[in-house]
Amino acid sequence: SSELTQDPAVSVALGQTVRITCQGDSLRSYYASWYQQKPGQAPVLVIYGKNNRPSGIPDRFSGSSSGNTASLTITGAQAEDEADYYCNSRDSSGNHLEVFGTGTKVTVL
Amino acid sequence: QLQLQESGPGLVKPSETLSLTCTVSGGSISSSSYYWGWIRQPPGKGLEWIGSIYYSGSTYYNPSLKSRVTISVDTSKNQFSLKLSSVTAADTAVYYCARLWQQLADDAFDIWGQGTMVTVSS
Repeated sequence: SSELTQDPAVSVALGQTVRITCQGDSLRSYYASWYQQKPGQAPVLVIYGKNNRPSGIPDRFSGSSSGNTASLTITGAQAEDEADYYCNSRDSSGNHLEVFGTGTKVTVL
Repeated sequence: QLQLQESGPGLVKPSETLSLTCTVSGGSISSSSYYWGWIRQPPGKGLEWIGSIYYSGSTYYNPSLKSRVTISVDTSKNQFSLKLSSVTAADTAVYYCARLWQQLADDAFDIWGQGTMVTVSS
């Protein structure tokens, strides 16, 4: 089955821009979705598809993809953006199997 | 608005079967647009997809868990369920149910339950 690899941790100064990456073979065929998870809470979908935000997600969150790498960018990071972020896509087999990334801890300084 | 709620025992003995139910409210589990999934998260670790089900009963499982997992759906109760057999301490985790939207090249778990902690211990 597929694997999705993320950097374990990144930090960003308040108001600056941070990009979180997700690498895996499945991303050559399928878009990544991105989830934000704060301590003790369930994950929340923030980006899906080519670059779509669910209702209520701030427009400082954006997504992009190239080759086997998907990226989540937070432009103008806020204190409340400090959280764990996970990518997810369909498995490269395409048989309705899903895979999650290893997760990235974002710290806002 | 659609909500999902997990329920089931919080403590399971080693070698026994973990059983959880997810109740869907505010919408129908029989919607043709969605699948329904289980995801777990061991303490301090990342998310792991366990499996998904369509309202018709078609199931898809994580290959690493497939031999121990059964997911079923009860459309009359608007519920779907997870059974994980022969559990060990490694199965201790928060278990989430979620709605899965799958299109051509685009998947997303767009609505999640709050999660339920299951501990495997004697």
